[in-house]
Formats: sequence, structure tokens, C-alpha cells
Amino acid sequence: QKEVEQNSGPLSVPEGAIASLNCTYSDRVSQSFFWYRQYSGKSPELIMSIYSNGDKEDGRFTAQLNKASQYVSLLIRDSQPSDSATYLCAVSPGYQKVTFGTGTKLQVIP
Amino acid sequence: SAVISQKPSRDICQRGTSLTIQCQVDSQVTMMFWYRQQPGQSLTLIATANQGSEATYESGFVIDKFPISRPNLTFSTLTVSNMSPEDSSIYLCSVAGGASWSQETQYFGPGTRLLVL
Repeated sequence: QKEVEQNSGPLSVPEGAIASLNCTYSDRVSQSFFWYRQYSGKSPELIMSIYSNGDKEDGRFTAQLNKASQYVSLLIRDSQPSDSATYLCAVSPGYQKVTFGTGTKLQVIP
Repeated sequence: SAVISQKPSRDICQRGTSLTIQCQVDSQVTMMFWYRQQPGQSLTLIATANQGSEATYESGFVIDKFPISRPNLTFSTLTVSNMSPEDSSIYLCSVAGGASWSQETQYFGPGTRLLVL
């Protein structure tokens, strides 16, 4: 069983719509959760971090965490073509040890 | 904002040779890590680079194949030794901790794209 699971996609959404990216993890002691965006040929770029249950909003991005269900998601409102990228979910039990999912490819259609 | 740089940005190498990749940060960091990202795959941690001591390697990675140095709090090198085509990948350094960086979050350098023929 993979430690961090994501649907590989591609997830296609029209411009202006909400993109919903999901991630499940297996390690119940996980404490820190991250979403990275990776454009093709580029390195991962941190978008959001979340540490407690509930929602965390930053501009058009909202991260949602449910530790009981071992589930973390990322919502992108008003999706733009520039949001087209692979989104990596990352999970950590602490002490900087991070496990990455395989990523979901998002395509925003103009 | 603080900057992470890697050299070289890309290289094409012959099998059996070795390549040393450098990671430089413009401020002191607590933690430095080396990852590999093979085509179409996610990131796999190779090792944690420890300042002044031997790196801590993940399962499946050994020091003879991937020797790592970290002489100070701003610099690290990863060597890919006796390369084979299976080593073709993107190699990424990441950092965490220190005055300019979150302790809990890793930030990535631009990566080194390696092709082994």
C-alpha cells in the first residue's frame, strides 16, 4: 500500500471553475501536510502547508485536512490556465521526514 | 528571499563515469536533503546531508553509489558514481530550517537533469 496516494489524472477543468485535488495517507502519526506545484521541467514549489484539522485559505487556494479520515485536499478557485501543473501532496510525521505522493496532473482548459 | 542554486542544471554523461552535483544556499540552513525524481515519477529521498558527519541514507541507496558531502551550513554535494542509464533522472536538493526557512517545510532547488548514455 502506498503511503501517500493521489489520483494521477489528468484532471481537466474549465477556466474559472474550482479544481479539487485529493490525497490520502496511511501513517496515522502524520503531523504536517503540504501541497507543492510542479510545472513541467521545473522543481516543486510550495503552495500550502496545513497542520490542524479544517480549512486553511491562501488567496485562491484552500487546503482541507481531516486527520480522522486521513485525507487532505486542495481546492483551487477560479482556475487559470497558469494553474496547469502537477500537484504533489506531501506528508510528514515531523523531524523533516517527508513522503511525497505521485502527483495529480491538472489541466485548466481556456 | 533566500535562494537555492544547483550546478550543473543539466548534463549528459557516459556510463561508468561519475558526476558531482552542487547545492548552494545563500543563508544557513539546518537540514539539507537530496532527492531523485525519475521520469513520470514522484520524489524519492536519497539521503539527508548532515553537516560535518556522514549522510543518512534511505533504504535502497548506498554511500558508495551516492557519496554526499556537507562541509558547512550552506553547501552540499551529491556524487552519482559509476553511472548507468538507470541513473537518468532529475536530482533535487531541498532545505529546511534556519533563520530564513521554516523548520517544518522543505524548499527545493531548481534541480539537475541528468541523462546517462
